[in-house]
Amino acid sequence: IAGITQAPTSQILAAGRRMTLRCTQDMRHNAMYWYRQDLGLGLRLIHYSNTAGTTGKGEVPDGYSVSRANTDDFPLTLASAVPSQTSVYFCASSQGLLNKQFFGPGTRLTVL
Amino acid sequence: DQQVKQNSPSLSVQEGRISILNCDYTNSMFDYFLWYKKYPAEGPTFLISISSIKDKNEDGRFTVFLNKSAKHLSLHIVPSQPGDSAVYFCAATPTSGTYKYIFGTGTRLKVLA
Repeated sequence: IAGITQAPTSQILAAGRRMTLRCTQDMRHNAMYWYRQDLGLGLRLIHYSNTAGTTGKGEVPDGYSVSRANTDDFPLTLASAVPSQTSVYFCASSQGLLNKQFFGPGTRLTVL
Repeated sequence: DQQVKQNSPSLSVQEGRISILNCDYTNSMFDYFLWYKKYPAEGPTFLISISSIKDKNEDGRFTVFLNKSAKHLSLHIVPSQPGDSAVYFCAATPTSGTYKYIFGTGTRLKVLA
């Protein structure tokens, strides 16, 4: 593993189903983030984590939850998916606040 | 309310000429700014950053200018190359430890050969 990996690459999901998007980094970065990218809206922060064991809400947290049990992993869970959660999801990490973020390749999620 | 705005959704520039991408912000607490480049089907990659204590930062062909009084920053690419064709996002954050980066909506740059 080099950098950030995300799984799955893409997923089609029925509305009402539960889904967990996985994110793993091997850079030992303390901070991790989840964004969604939608046409005309850019990248919007869903949740973030300053360090293992802590999480915080971003701009659009409703309908999503995260956990940060260790430094490397930051899964994003949709408890009951809705069509408005159709988007491309990016995970990112950074070493501290004032450092560049490294992004994963993204997960394309379609909720029908 | 969009705190970080990129008002030009797209820009076309001839190869070898200068590309200027603009970004405006409304939150006066923002004092650290970054530019990212994104190719289709890939995650964004970091390009250049600037702190509010500076008004210019340069890295090779890329220069970012910050005008704090106007709450405006711009990215200059000189000379532009076809490989620069991508979507460019500016992002801003306050240095108060919130870890909340706010991104603009992006500008799609097309460099014509």
